[in-house]
Amino acid sequence: DIQMTQSPSSLSASVGDRVTITCRASQGISNSLAWYQQKPGKAPKLLLYAASRLESGVPSRFSGSGSGTDYTLTISSLQPEDFATYYCQQYYSTLELTFGGGTKVEIK
Amino acid sequence: QVQLQESGPGLVKPSQTLSLTCTVSGGSISSGSYYWSWIRQPAGKGLEWIGRIYTSGSTNYNPSLKSRVTISVDTSKNQFSLKLSSVTAADTAVYYCAREIAVAGLFFDYWGQGTLVTVSS
Repeated sequence: DIQMTQSPSSLSASVGDRVTITCRASQGISNSLAWYQQKPGKAPKLLLYAASRLESGVPSRFSGSGSGTDYTLTISSLQPEDFATYYCQQYYSTLELTFGGGTKVEIK
Repeated sequence: QVQLQESGPGLVKPSQTLSLTCTVSGGSISSGSYYWSWIRQPAGKGLEWIGRIYTSGSTNYNPSLKSRVTISVDTSKNQFSLKLSSVTAADTAVYYCAREIAVAGLFFDYWGQGTLVTVSS
């Protein structure tokens, strides 16, 4: 299976900060990567797919980049509603989808 | 607007079979553009994909669970279901059903609210 490693596992930031979360795959995944946001007690919400394509309705302060094995999610200016846990998910291995361990973004 | 809703027992005894149903509204489960998946999340932990079904009935399962998982679909009721046999405490989790896009990749654009299943005697 393809292992997805996110870093950091948690971070503290202030409103207005630029935040970057990294996701590393155990093998190349050819941009077959999605990012989700999850708030406590809620289902995950799709933010981006194909590594950099923004899902409809998601604010443009969210962006994604990367290639090969290394990918990043960037929030350009953190807003109060962005405090949540973020997960990456690879779909290169179509018969075994896997998620990263999550990055919790907390208020500093 | 597509909506998914999980239903089923919240408590299952060890060694028994966990059974959940996902009811889809606001769209047809028979649409050819989507798979229908189950995902779970133990408390305080990450997400684990369990498996998927297509409206044709074809399935794919996570290899780590394959021997215990069955996913089925009832297009007449716009529902799909999960059965997980021989459960242990390690299967205690919030179980989500989700729609998986089949044409632009295999990621999840709509999710149910999740249902907590506890395995305990």
